[in-house]
Amino acid sequence: EAGVAQSPRYKIIEKRQSVAFWCNPISGHATLYWYQQILGQGPKLLIQFQNNGVVDDSQLPKDRFSAERLKGVDSTLKIQPAKLEDSAVYLCASSEGQATDTQYFGPGTRLTVL
Amino acid sequence: AQSVTQPDIHITVSEGASLELRCNYSYGATPYLFWYVQSPGQGLQLLLKYFSGDTLVQGIKGFEAEFKRSQSSFNLRKPSVHWSDAAEYFCAVGAGFSGGYNKLIFGAGTRLAVHP
Repeated sequence: EAGVAQSPRYKIIEKRQSVAFWCNPISGHATLYWYQQILGQGPKLLIQFQNNGVVDDSQLPKDRFSAERLKGVDSTLKIQPAKLEDSAVYLCASSEGQATDTQYFGPGTRLTVL
Repeated sequence: AQSVTQPDIHITVSEGASLELRCNYSYGATPYLFWYVQSPGQGLQLLLKYFSGDTLVQGIKGFEAEFKRSQSSFNLRKPSVHWSDAAEYFCAVGAGFSGGYNKLIFGAGTRLAVHP
């Protein structure tokens, strides 16, 4: 079974530029999550989708971050414009959809903002 | 508010020695608890989880964890560490289960180094 795919794996941009990350969850998984992991910290949930609807985006900085999950499958996370403090690893995870289902994580995208 | 504390930022053990990683949580209801491992350049992999029932939980790679409600703890243990266990370990509590959705709140992690 293929895991959660993410691209790109690494991205370096300058502040005030835009960047987008892509995630392809495990086939059939209804729930998709985006986490931000700053160096030295645990992952922090940014947004959670159930199919193509948003369940929780309370910690998403909506003035600069946006995310969508068209057709309830792939998802993109965008930052516009980027700030230095956005440097982090962005992790995508998916689960089947029930509360007790395991979340499976992708390898992440490491973003460096200069 | 829900939170997870991992008191040890970095631990070093010798190969073959026993291991215990500490985790304390703050949560108002019965917690759902998890341990994940993250190897360099890789995503998080679930080691084990506790939802209810037996408070001693067995996981993959020879790991186990014990839920102690009186101490608000969920410590991870392994009787004999292998060099390949060197990684970062994250404890997490599941919150926000209303509507059937699982929001994980992670601790800051414990980095494990293994000496040969």
